Amino acid sequence: GEQVEQRPPHLSVREGDSAVIICTYTDPNSYYFFWYKQEPGAGLQLLMKVFSSTEINEGQGFTVLLNKKDKQLSLNLTAAHPGDSAVYFCAVSEDYAQGLTFGLGTRVSVFP
Amino acid sequence: GPKVLQIPSHQIIDMGQMVTLNCDPVSNHLYFYWYKQILGQQMEFLVNFYNGKVMEKSKLFKDQFSVERPDGSYFTLKIQPTALEDSAVYFCASSYAGGSGNTLYFGEGSRLIVV
Repeated sequence: GEQVEQRPPHLSVREGDSAVIICTYTDPNSYYFFWYKQEPGAGLQLLMKVFSSTEINEGQGFTVLLNKKDKQLSLNLTAAHPGDSAVYFCAVSEDYAQGLTFGLGTRVSVFP
Repeated sequence: GPKVLQIPSHQIIDMGQMVTLNCDPVSNHLYFYWYKQILGQQMEFLVNFYNGKVMEKSKLFKDQFSVERPDGSYFTLKIQPTALEDSAVYFCASSYAGGSGNTLYFGEGSRLIVV
């Protein structure tokens, strides 16, 4: 079945700098890709949903890149600020009936 | 945005006892899910539920697990009897529609500790 590797597990970022989290998946039939953000004491909040047809996806303060050739999904935080401190999870889906396959998560800490 | 509420947030229970985890999904959602995350491991799909029935379940969804949502009340995950390996955070999620591409909204998780 699908496997998703997410790295790094921890990331310390100076405020204003950029940061990259990368997920590598195995199933070439994966079609939907998600990034979730979990702040302390809160549920997972959807950051972005990406379809396999779109390689570059711009969000507010971040960009999601999908490289289907290398089976990689990345989350690029631009100009990190303290509100970006959270755990970020990628998730991949071929079919919801089988559920999402999640990465292990990346704990991002933004320091001044 | 839409919120999924989970009760309790934490529970400690003796091995062999029964536990029920409750989920209040987003009000107009029709599909409901449970995921399990053991400490230090990935969040893994357990089960999804629609129209009163289990649609799909993973190998993690043991015979001791059951789910139901009686008459629009809480969507529940019951474990009876509990085992030590059931210690984990259980996340409930809901979506308006099923199938690939629909957005899941997750709760904050219920941390279960079986002793």
